[in-house]
Amino acid sequence: ELKVEQNPLFLSMQEGKNYTIYCNYSTTSDRLYWYRQDPGKSLESLFVLLSNGAVKQEGRLMASLDTKARLSTLHITAAVHDLSATYFCAVGGGAQKLVFGQGTRLTINP
Amino acid sequence: DAGVIQSPRHEVTEMGQEVTLRCKPISGHNSLFWYRQTMMRGLELLIYFNNNVPIDDSGMPEDRFSAKMPNASFSTLKIQPSEPRDSAVYFCASSPDTLPYNEQFFGPGTRLTVL
Repeated sequence: ELKVEQNPLFLSMQEGKNYTIYCNYSTTSDRLYWYRQDPGKSLESLFVLLSNGAVKQEGRLMASLDTKARLSTLHITAAVHDLSATYFCAVGGGAQKLVFGQGTRLTINP
Repeated sequence: DAGVIQSPRHEVTEMGQEVTLRCKPISGHNSLFWYRQTMMRGLELLIYFNNNVPIDDSGMPEDRFSAKMPNASFSTLKIQPSEPRDSAVYFCASSPDTLPYNEQFFGPGTRLTVL
């Protein structure tokens, strides 16, 4: 059974700092996704990672995938308050199904 | 494109009542997913359909929950009878069958409160 674990689950950081969220998964998969959820809102797709070594960047966020280590990272550079949200990784679990991590609640303080 | 549409956005009901949640997927998407999100259990997949056929309903909590997809543009999730522990946000998502992407697009959710 595919399991997806994120850490940390809660992260409070100051504006301007860098940090990384980690997503580990238990079995081989061919695709990994990162989503963002603002409080009281739906999930918004950020990145789709499909191959070993894939790296995607959007603004201050950069996601990477190491399929051999079964690990993805979401790196935040020079954080700003607008990036405060909950971030989920999701891993392809066969056919169309995705298995989601627990989510990382990120709070960025001025 | 209008995105995934869910209704109602909020539902408050009393224990024992029947609740029906509705979803219209993005046109052209072949797969539809129902999720439940709570603080305690996070985001759980309840059931998903492909080409209107239920593929995996192993996440449906119990017989009180049922889901249908009578056509490519409409799905319902029904809870009968409802209980307070069913209070949660229910999301519908859809995805195209365009391997390898299969990216899921989420609706705004229905916040259900069972008193």
